[in-house]
Amino acid sequence: GDSVTQMEGPVTLSEEAFLTINCTYTATGYPSLFWYVQYPGEGLQLLLKATKADDKGSNKGFEATYRKETTSFHLEKGSVQVSDSAVYFCALSGESGGSYIPTFGRGTSLIVHP
Amino acid sequence: EAGVVQSPRYKIIEKKQPVAFWCNPISGHNTLYWYRQNLGQGPELLIRYENEEAVDDSQLPKDRFSAERLKGVDSTLKIQPAELGDSAVYLCASSIEGDEQYFGPGTRLTVT
Repeated sequence: GDSVTQMEGPVTLSEEAFLTINCTYTATGYPSLFWYVQYPGEGLQLLLKATKADDKGSNKGFEATYRKETTSFHLEKGSVQVSDSAVYFCALSGESGGSYIPTFGRGTSLIVHP
Repeated sequence: EAGVVQSPRYKIIEKKQPVAFWCNPISGHNTLYWYRQNLGQGPELLIRYENEEAVDDSQLPKDRFSAERLKGVDSTLKIQPAELGDSAVYLCASSIEGDEQYFGPGTRLTVT
């Protein structure tokens, strides 16, 4: 079945540092890829998405590029802020028998210090 | 626009007791999902509805879990009887035709 693997956290950075959170996936066909973010005490919310190979999703300074050749969708941000501290989930939505089955990674906790 | 609403937010019960969770999705969203999220893990799909029809429930432990989505809007997830291992956060999400999902705040269940 489909699976998503994320780097283990927590990732601890100083404010204005560069962020990379690695995500690789295994899926049949051509899934859509997503990054969700969960701030403390809140529900998951979509951060960005990409629906086909070489697409780049971006939002709030975060970017991720759908790399089919390496089956990856790494999340990056050039300069993190304290307010970016949260748990980040990589996910895919793959088609199976006409249905779209969502699969999530385990999440990576990001802690940004001032 | 109101988001996905879930209740209760927290529930503490003793093992072997029943419990139910309620979800009201975003208006117009035909797809509704129930997930279980264990501590330090990502959400795990339990069941997905397209309108009133459950189209994927392969991960739902059917001996004790049940769900319904009457009239294709609100949904209820029930556990009877609850076990210690059911302690988790139960998330509801909705979407249009399987596109990006909008999540509710979740119900944190503690079974003692």
